Amino acid sequence: GENVEQHPSTLSVQEGDSAVIKCTYSDSASNYFPWYKQELGKGPQLIIDIRSNVGEKKDQRIAVTLNKTAKHFSLHITETQPEDSAVYFCAAAREYGNKLVFGAGTILRVKS
Amino acid sequence: SQTIHQWPATLVQPVGSPLSLECTVEGTSNPNLYWYRQAAGRGLQLLFYSVGIGQISSEVPQNLSASRPQDRQFILSSKKLLLSDSGFYLCAWSRQGAMNRNTEAFFGQGTRLTVV
Repeated sequence: GENVEQHPSTLSVQEGDSAVIKCTYSDSASNYFPWYKQELGKGPQLIIDIRSNVGEKKDQRIAVTLNKTAKHFSLHITETQPEDSAVYFCAAAREYGNKLVFGAGTILRVKS
Repeated sequence: SQTIHQWPATLVQPVGSPLSLECTVEGTSNPNLYWYRQAAGRGLQLLFYSVGIGQISSEVPQNLSASRPQDRQFILSSKKLLLSDSGFYLCAWSRQGAMNRNTEAFFGQGTRLTVV
């Protein structure tokens, strides 16, 4: 089955700096890669996703890149703000599959 | 619009007691349903998923079971809780993938279970 590894487990950055979180996956048939943000005491929410037919996707300060050959994808947050502090999860799934497999999560702390 | 309800929000149970967590989805039909567990300091571990009534796939061997008695109802159960069952349990749903390319998962608010 699919295995998703995520690094780093914790990340501290100064407000205004960039943050990068990286994930690798094992199932070459996976072609849907979402990122979720979880705030304290809440369920995770989708913030951005990418499919295997593109290499990069941007949404304001957030971008995701995908390298299918190397089987890794990354989340980039620019101009970080205190409200970006949360736990971020990457995930992978087959597009017509039945489940998302998540990474272990990254605790992002943005220091002001 | 679709909504997902999960209860209770918090639960403290003694070791050896039974467990029943319920999750219901409104505003959609034939969803995929999931139970995840998030242990302290760890990621989301998929416990069970279901693609239809009575169809349950178990991802990890454990002390828990799941049932789907109705299309939009998913129940997580245990006959006898262990200390190691403590954690944050999340229910989620997604649209069936066959006819829809969107496999986004929508999560409930979670249940904080403490086994004492």
